[in-house]
Amino acid sequence: GESVGLHLPTLSVQEGDNSIINCAYSNSASDYFIWYKQESGKGPQFIIDIRSNMDKRQGQRVTVLLNKTVKHLSLQIAATQPGDSAVYFCAEKDMGRRALTFGSGTRLQVQP
Amino acid sequence: DSGVTQTPKHLITATGQRVTLRCSPRSGDLSVYWYQQSLDQGLQFLIQYYNGEERAKGNILERFSAQQFPDLHSELNLSSLELGDSALYFCASSETTLGTGKSHGYTFGSGTRLTVV
Repeated sequence: GESVGLHLPTLSVQEGDNSIINCAYSNSASDYFIWYKQESGKGPQFIIDIRSNMDKRQGQRVTVLLNKTVKHLSLQIAATQPGDSAVYFCAEKDMGRRALTFGSGTRLQVQP
Repeated sequence: DSGVTQTPKHLITATGQRVTLRCSPRSGDLSVYWYQQSLDQGLQFLIQYYNGEERAKGNILERFSAQQFPDLHSELNLSSLELGDSALYFCASSETTLGTGKSHGYTFGSGTRLTVV
C-alpha cells in the first residue's frame, strides 16, 4: 500500500506541534466525510468521520472540522508524533452515490 | 491486519497480458469496492459489488472487469495490460451498500502492486 512517489503537497511539522491538513470538496450534496491515513506499505486506514449535520467532531488527538458553506474539511492533529507521518486523504460521499470519492492527499512529515 | 485480504501483494507482468487480483472482505461485510491508486491520480474508484451483484461503476476501463462470488470474495480481472495500468489496486469492504454504518466507512486491504513491463 505504498504511496511513496505520489506527487503530493507536503506538510512538515515539528514533533509536538499541532498539524492542520486541509481538504476542499466540490459536491455540495456530499453528506458524509472521512479522513484516512495511509502509511508506507499499507492501505488507507480510517481516522475519523463526520456527517453533514455536524461541524466538528473530536477523537483521540484528532479533530475534524466541516465548513459546508465553503465546502472545506480540515483534520487537526494535536501533539503530532513521528508515527503520524503518513499520507492523509479526505473522502466524501452523498446518499445518491454508493462509493467514496477521495481527495488527492497530503503528505505529513514529522521532524523529530 | 485490517481483516481485508488481498493477493498477490506484488505482480509483474508484460504488456498485453491478463491478470486476476483477489480480495477477501472482512468477515460480515457484504460490499466490496475496488480502487486504483496511481502516481498522478490518487485513489480512483473502479467498481462496487454488494452480495454478489454489481452496484456502482466508477472510472473502470472496458478491459477491466470484476465479480463477487457467493462466498463474498471478489476478483478484479485486468486484460490487455498497458504500461499505464501499473498502479496499486486496493480492495475495501463495508457492511452495507452505503458504507456508512457502524463500521465507519470502508476497511481497506494492503493492496496489490501491479507492474506492467
